[in-house]
Amino acid sequence: EVQLVESGGDLVQPGGSLRLSCAASGFTFSDHYMDWVRQAPGKGLEWVGRTRNKANSYTTEYAASVKGRFTVSRDVSKNSLYLQMNSLRTEDTAVYYCVRVAVVVPAANDYWGQGTLVTVSS
Amino acid sequence: DIQMTQSPSTLSASVGDRVSITCRASQSIGSWLAWYQQKPGRAPKLLIYKASSLESGVPSRFSGSGSGTEFTLTISSLQPDDFATYYCQQYHSYSITFGQGTRLEIK
Repeated sequence: EVQLVESGGDLVQPGGSLRLSCAASGFTFSDHYMDWVRQAPGKGLEWVGRTRNKANSYTTEYAASVKGRFTVSRDVSKNSLYLQMNSLRTEDTAVYYCVRVAVVVPAANDYWGQGTLVTVSS
Repeated sequence: DIQMTQSPSTLSASVGDRVSITCRASQSIGSWLAWYQQKPGRAPKLLIYKASSLESGVPSRFSGSGSGTEFTLTISSLQPDDFATYYCQQYHSYSITFGQGTRLEIK
């Protein structure tokens, strides 16, 4: 059974940093692209960033709103995905979802974690 | 970025109704479109991928159609469990974008 479990969400001050983690299980982690998607309170879904699979050298892409501030990475030995968030702003307040991309790309997001809440406030 | 526009923003309907939600892309995305269902406090769930392919385990009353810039999600006979918010998503470009969502509520 595919499982994605996020952790690390917290209350942080503007300008601060936070690292989110996602523990993946039930599939071959290195075969899949992985995304982070966020949802501000009462708002819609926003794609944040992506790491491609091993065959594509785990390269990354980012939304313009977070480029230069956020970094997506993975540790294949731990089957874990990470989102390092720096220079946080109040508008980064959201539930952050760890999301798997179906194996044959281009592909939709077929499995989602339960989400972890990040609140940026003084 | 490719902009995705859903209509309507809110849809009121009754159990047993046939309903459709439209999603328009600002440029052609071929068939690289997905539909998701989200209930309050829950993660989104994939319903349809590649515009018209039904995800495993999703009831057959859900269907998708369209290509290029205009797409439709249809629910043939609404069930109580279907009242939720629906999002379209394009994955044609590496910068993925979602529609703003359509809230399906009970009339």
